[in-house]
Amino acid sequence: AQTVTQSQPEMSVQEAETVTLSCTYDTSESDYYLFWYKQPPSRQMILVIRQEAYKQQNATENRFSVNFQKAAKSFSLKISDSQLGDAAMYFCARGSQGNLIFGKGTKLSVKP
Amino acid sequence: ETGVTQSPTHLIKTRGQQVTLRCSSQSGHNTVSWYQQALGQGPQFIFQYYREEENGRGNFPPRFSGLQFPNYSSELNVNALELDDSALYLCASALDASTDTQYFGPGTRLTVL
Repeated sequence: AQTVTQSQPEMSVQEAETVTLSCTYDTSESDYYLFWYKQPPSRQMILVIRQEAYKQQNATENRFSVNFQKAAKSFSLKISDSQLGDAAMYFCARGSQGNLIFGKGTKLSVKP
Repeated sequence: ETGVTQSPTHLIKTRGQQVTLRCSSQSGHNTVSWYQQALGQGPQFIFQYYREEENGRGNFPPRFSGLQFPNYSSELNVNALELDDSALYLCASALDASTDTQYFGPGTRLTVL
């Protein structure tokens, strides 16, 4: 089975500091997309960042960046200058022929 | 640009009943996918519709069915509800079937008693 694994069920970070969330995945495809989604208590799944596997350059969106290691099938999310509003569940997902395969999520807490 | 909306927000049904959940996609998005998210888990893919036809299905039984309409709305129907069907149901729309970037609605929380 093609899976996405998030090995950290919970993480905590101090406000204004940096935190990295881990994700590994399994695939036999050479071209695919990877995503990080944020799900706050309001339940809405919000797209944080997207990476295309054929691009070597790591994606960046403001305070959010990824470390994409294709050979290792690793896709970690770095959040810089953490804010209280970053507290949420974070899901890593891999695109597969139009649908998404999700990990089990990492619950991020931000301490003031 | 309008977002993805879902109705109702919450729903309570009893075992054996049937339920219809509704979704309105972003304008111009030809693809809609439905996911089931059990408590404490990541979303699981149910199926996808592209231009009103089913375009892929996950590991869900036939009592889960769907429809997509020309006006960017869609439905998820579940027959013969079971207790394990209690979950958050998410729909997500995309520009087309080849675009993996999906935008999610707020979900419908279904409780089966």
